[in-house]
Amino acid sequence: DQQVKQNSPSLSVQEGRISILNCDYTNSMFDYFLWYKKYPAEGPTFLISISSIKDKNEDGRFTVFLNKSAKHLSLHIVPSQPGDSAVYFCAASAQTSGTYKYIFGTGTRLKVLA
Amino acid sequence: DAEITQSPRHKITETGRQVTLACHQTWNHNNMFWYRQDLGHGLRLIHYSYGVHDTNKGEVSDGYSVSRSNTEDLPLTLESAASSQTSVYFCASSDGTGVDEQFFGPGTRLTVL
Repeated sequence: DQQVKQNSPSLSVQEGRISILNCDYTNSMFDYFLWYKKYPAEGPTFLISISSIKDKNEDGRFTVFLNKSAKHLSLHIVPSQPGDSAVYFCAASAQTSGTYKYIFGTGTRLKVLA
Repeated sequence: DAEITQSPRHKITETGRQVTLACHQTWNHNNMFWYRQDLGHGLRLIHYSYGVHDTNKGEVSDGYSVSRSNTEDLPLTLESAASSQTSVYFCASSDGTGVDEQFFGPGTRLTVL
């Protein structure tokens, strides 16, 4: 049973436009959420995080929104750039349950078209 | 600079052989993790460790083992390699504080023939 789901395997966006990547989760105990970016032949790199006490976190062009009632989070990239083309993973953890494990989604491949 | 390294980066082996993938981190992190990445499955947790001599099974641990004898290293052993274990393997570490983001190594591509 997939606890963290990324239902869109791929997304194409024009350069300069907004990219919106979505993630759904099922476990209401999740309290920390991360987004990772992965280029081919490299390990994932941390992008941005949000805790369950917030509903929004911004870092430059990247904003993560959390809707706890819907168990949904999204990553907005504005404006999108060709260098943003990568696979994006969301991940969730239930740290108040005493675990440091993150459960990862299946990833969304973003292609930003020049 | 602190880093996390994996070796080898590429490995081809035969069914039934024992294989060990190395992971070494210089962050001095207590937590270390092994994942495999497969198309359609994302990153799945194999084993993890919260400190020296501590090891725990993840969601896809069958056929794999780990041991943690020091802070820096968490080698992953495939006891008898199977074709289903052909995958890209990532090691990660974290310090267990704050959002506790994990730092990943560059990956090892393993092919079992």
